[in-house]
Amino acid sequence: RKEVEQDPGPFNVPEGATVAFNCTYSNSASQSFFWYRQDCRKEPKLLMSVYSSGNEDGRFTAQLNRASQYISLLIRDSKLSDSATYLCVVNITGNQFYFGTGTSLTVIP
Amino acid sequence: DTAVSQTPKYLVTQMGNDKSIKCEQNLGHDTMYWYKQDSKKFLKIMFSYNNKELIINETVPNRFSPKSPDKAHLNLHINSLELGDSAVYFCASSQSFGNTEAFFGQGTRLTVV
Repeated sequence: RKEVEQDPGPFNVPEGATVAFNCTYSNSASQSFFWYRQDCRKEPKLLMSVYSSGNEDGRFTAQLNRASQYISLLIRDSKLSDSATYLCVVNITGNQFYFGTGTSLTVIP
Repeated sequence: DTAVSQTPKYLVTQMGNDKSIKCEQNLGHDTMYWYKQDSKKFLKIMFSYNNKELIINETVPNRFSPKSPDKAHLNLHINSLELGDSAVYFCASSQSFGNTEAFFGQGTRLTVV
């Protein structure tokens, strides 16, 4: 069983739409959680960390539900520049980062 | 200055050859990683080193041998390259405490022909 499960999509949404991505993780001892963004032929880059209380960064909102072992990312007012692959990442012991398969997003004009 | 740098960026080689990829980080992190991203885009952890010591080896063939001369460097040597080794290899680093994120190098696109 994979450590992190994510719906691969693809998600094709119009500009201005709201889109939500979800992922689940299998190890209840997981310590920290992140959303990364990966553009085509580039390295993954941190989008935002995910905290138990939920956190927001501009148009992006991340939520964590430890009881259900579930992480989400909400993107409001989608921009063309949001088109990328979004990776759910779980850190289990402080030095084991496990990635989901990624969810592909294309924002259409 | 690039925080995590790996070389080369592109590597094309024939089956059976031996090749190395180098990685260096200037972030002062104590943990470094190698990841493989295959054609399906899945990022799979291969190795994790903490302070030069191997802590994760995710069922990677023995042909892959990581070497960490110091905590700022983690190189990957691959023997007897096979077609299936073609992928993008990413080096990354992080601090093992504080639940902070991992930083990635730009990747090495390896093509075995």
